Amino acid sequence: DAGITQSPRHKVTETGTPVTLRCHQTENHRYMYWYRQDPGHGLRLIHYSYGVKDTDKGEVSDGYSVSRSKTEDFLLTLESATSSQTSVYFCATQVDSPYEQYFGPGTRLTVT
Amino acid sequence: SQQGEEDPQALSIQEGENATMNCSYKTSINNLQWYRQNSGRGLVHLILIRSNEREKHSGRLRVTLDTSKKSSSLLITASRAADTASYFCATDLTGANSKLTFGKGITLSVRP
Repeated sequence: DAGITQSPRHKVTETGTPVTLRCHQTENHRYMYWYRQDPGHGLRLIHYSYGVKDTDKGEVSDGYSVSRSKTEDFLLTLESATSSQTSVYFCATQVDSPYEQYFGPGTRLTVT
Repeated sequence: SQQGEEDPQALSIQEGENATMNCSYKTSINNLQWYRQNSGRGLVHLILIRSNEREKHSGRLRVTLDTSKKSSSLLITASRAADTASYFCATDLTGANSKLTFGKGITLSVRP
C-alpha cells in the first residue's frame, strides 16, 4: 500500500458541517490525489497535488478544497457538507509521472 | 466525460477458465493502466502499458493495447476464486498533467 493511511476511516456528519479528511504517506511520493467513488460512476478525481503547496482541480472539485503543506500530508476539506458528498473517498500517491498510483484504504463518509 | 469504458460490466466464470476484459478510450494516451479492487478495499495497480507497446505480461495477466482502435484488453488466465474483484482501466491522457481517468469498472466473479 506504499505506506498510505487515511483518517478517519468512517465518518457520519450532518449537512452543513465542515469535514476534513487526511491522507498521509511515508514514501515521499511527489504526486497526491483525492478521488471519490460512487456506484455507477467509478472513480472521479476531486483535486490533486504535484508538490508542496501546488494543487489543481479535478473533474468534480466543486464544494471541496485541499491543502498540502508537507510532502507527506494531503488534506481534503468539505467546507459545508451536503448529502451529495456522501461517498467513499480514496487518496492515492504517485512517485512521478508517468507511473502507477498507489491507493489508500478509503474513507467512507455519510452526510445526513 | 468517461474516457475509459470497460466491457463487459460484469463477468462470471468458473475457476480455471480465462477471463477477458476490454477497455475502450476516446483520445490519445501516454499509457493505459489496469487496477483491481477487492470489496471494501483500495485499488491495487496490476499493470501499465505504454502507448508504444502492444503487449505486456505479468504472471497470469496479459494486457494488449491497440492504439489504432483505441482499445485494450486484460486477460487473466487460469482464474482463481481469489481473482474475484472489480477491475478498472485508467488512461493517462496526452497533456493531462499526470491525471488518470478511470472507467466504471468490471465486476468479475470466479466460481469455485
